[in-house]
Amino acid sequence: AQKITQTQPGMFVQEKEAVTLDCTYDTSDQSYGLFWYKQPSSGEMIFLIYQGSYDEQNATEGRYSLNFQKARKSANLVISASQLGDSAMYFCAMRNPPNTGTALIFGKGTTLSVSS
Amino acid sequence: GAVVSQHPSRVICKSGTSVKIECRSLDFQATTMFWYRQFPKKSLMLMATSNEGSKATYEQGVEKDKFLINHASLTLSTLTVTSAHPEDSSFYICSASSVGPSNKPQHFGDGTRLSIL
Repeated sequence: AQKITQTQPGMFVQEKEAVTLDCTYDTSDQSYGLFWYKQPSSGEMIFLIYQGSYDEQNATEGRYSLNFQKARKSANLVISASQLGDSAMYFCAMRNPPNTGTALIFGKGTTLSVSS
Repeated sequence: GAVVSQHPSRVICKSGTSVKIECRSLDFQATTMFWYRQFPKKSLMLMATSNEGSKATYEQGVEKDKFLINHASLTLSTLTVTSAHPEDSSFYICSASSVGPSNKPQHFGDGTRLSIL
């Protein structure tokens, strides 16, 4: 069965610090895609970063990077230099198979609170 | 970038009424649209997947007669909550996808907060 696990219900960090949000996944397939989305309190889903299962390099997008450890089936999101505007709920998701006609399966999410 | 518009953003209505939610892809053709439901502080649960011109595929446990999905064009999908009751109150959010490489993300609407009194 396919599953995404986010074990941190809430994380707290101070401005300018880095924070890692954990994500592990379960699949027996070799080809899949991993995504991170941000959901502010207003509700919209904002795409942050993507990692393909065959990508050898860890994905990076600005202050976001994905620590992909395939053997451990983990895809942790690292946010560097946290900002107050980063306070939101963060979801890890998997698309398996990875083609665009497949729905995302989401983890339970992690609420990140950034303080000044 | 790809834009998905969802309307209305908020609905408050009486028990027993039917509510229609629209999801439009504004600048691309959405071959597939997805409907999710989300309870406060919880994850997004997939309700159904719809492809243009064909019947939606519902997830296990989702009543297809309760949640009617229509995907009549490449830019519009609708979700109708029929004879809504308080337990149907939730945040409903759609996403749309077009054919492309596997790193192409789904684009989400801003969601609809449905409150049934």
